[in-house]
Amino acid sequence: EVQLLESGGGLVQPGGSLRLSCAASGFTFRRSPMTWVRQAPGKGLEWVSTFSGSTSNTYYADSVKGRFTISRDNSANTLYLQMNSLRVDDTAIYYCTKDWNFDYWGQGTLVTVSS
Amino acid sequence: DIVMTQSPLSLPVTLGQPASISCRSSQSLVHSDGNIYLNWFQQRPGQSPRRLIYEVSNRESGVPDRFSGSGSDTDFTLKISRVEAEDVGVYYCMQGTQWPRTFGQGTKVEIK
Repeated sequence: EVQLLESGGGLVQPGGSLRLSCAASGFTFRRSPMTWVRQAPGKGLEWVSTFSGSTSNTYYADSVKGRFTISRDNSANTLYLQMNSLRVDDTAIYYCTKDWNFDYWGQGTLVTVSS
Repeated sequence: DIVMTQSPLSLPVTLGQPASISCRSSQSLVHSDGNIYLNWFQQRPGQSPRRLIYEVSNRESGVPDRFSGSGSDTDFTLKISRVEAEDVGVYYCMQGTQWPRTFGQGTKVEIK
């Protein structure tokens, strides 16, 4: 059974940093592209970043480029999102998803950016 | 960027009646490999999104056959043949053909 478990969310001040983790199980992690998608309170879904499986290609939304860094540890079956220079509009639930077209989703972790 | 436009944004339906959601893309979603990477997701209240349909018309395992997807190029539709109470939620289309990945605004399905 595929499982994706996010952690690391919390309350942070504007300009601060946070690192999210996604622990994966139930599939061959190293081969799977992995993605972060976020959802601001009461709003729709927004793609954030993807890390490819077989290569080391990374992709970012313009809204986070230069501030967020996606990475993965295939030995630990874990995906990360390092978020720096956080802004109030980064407040959202952050979901970890699998594959190029998001076939499985985690339960999400809430990031609140507020002073 | 490819803009995904859904309609309607709100869809009140009667139990047992059909429902249909439209999704239009600003550019063709035909990938260079010949496939069309158009997906539909369901998000029930308080839950994470769940993929229902991939590549326009392929149902995920466990998705009831009352859900169907169709379309081509830039025009796509999700249909529910007979709405049940558990279908309440927000439905999103998403294109996986080009970067950045983009979602529609979401269609809220509720029971009349």
